[in-house]
Amino acid sequence: EAQVTQNPRYLITVTGKKLTVTCSQNMNHEYMSWYRQDPGLGLRQIYYSMNVEVTDKGDVPEGYKVSRKEKRNFPLILESPSPNQTSLYFCASSLRWLENNSPLHFGNGTRLTVT
Amino acid sequence: AQSVAQPEDQVNVAEGNPLTVKCTYSVSGNPYLFWYVQYPNRGLQFLLKYITGDNLVKGSYGFEAEFNKSQTSFHLKKTTALVRDSALYFCAVRVSGSARQLTFGSGTQLTVLP
Repeated sequence: EAQVTQNPRYLITVTGKKLTVTCSQNMNHEYMSWYRQDPGLGLRQIYYSMNVEVTDKGDVPEGYKVSRKEKRNFPLILESPSPNQTSLYFCASSLRWLENNSPLHFGNGTRLTVT
Repeated sequence: AQSVAQPEDQVNVAEGNPLTVKCTYSVSGNPYLFWYVQYPNRGLQFLLKYITGDNLVKGSYGFEAEFNKSQTSFHLKKTTALVRDSALYFCAVRVSGSARQLTFGSGTQLTVLP
């Protein structure tokens, strides 16, 4: 089944404890992206990647890191989480973003709570 | 800059009635417009998109949207609402020919009452 898989679904952590949220897609998509969803703000882009070894900042990159060493994986890293990073996070992928506006495929989300 | 506005946080409609979820946009250039739907505890799912051509776009589950350039709107519509249509709906925009990423609206919660 074609899908975007995020893990974990739920995560509770404490301020300053490094964490990684994994994202994997099995559709051979070139484009991958991370979003955070907050009430009243919709989805805001954190980072995106047009292809392997190519990443760029979105609208709210502060406090986050990403890497794209393989086409299928795009982990989101919080080196020192803070309470304002408590949010619902989504990973998404798309076949060829700029060329044909192919739709984004989303994972089921990771709900992160930082205390 | 590009932006999207969904003026209604909540839309309630009775089952069997038509529904409209509103979206307006602001871009410099020609827009690409999208609607996504989010069911509880799930990621967003693509519904439909406008790239070029016919202003009336048909999508999944009987939904359609009309692109209106003069009013800079892209309202989502369905002639007969179903209870299972209850979900959170997001409008999104990007500019053609630009690497600028997709900008989402704040979302509209649609509730279809039985």
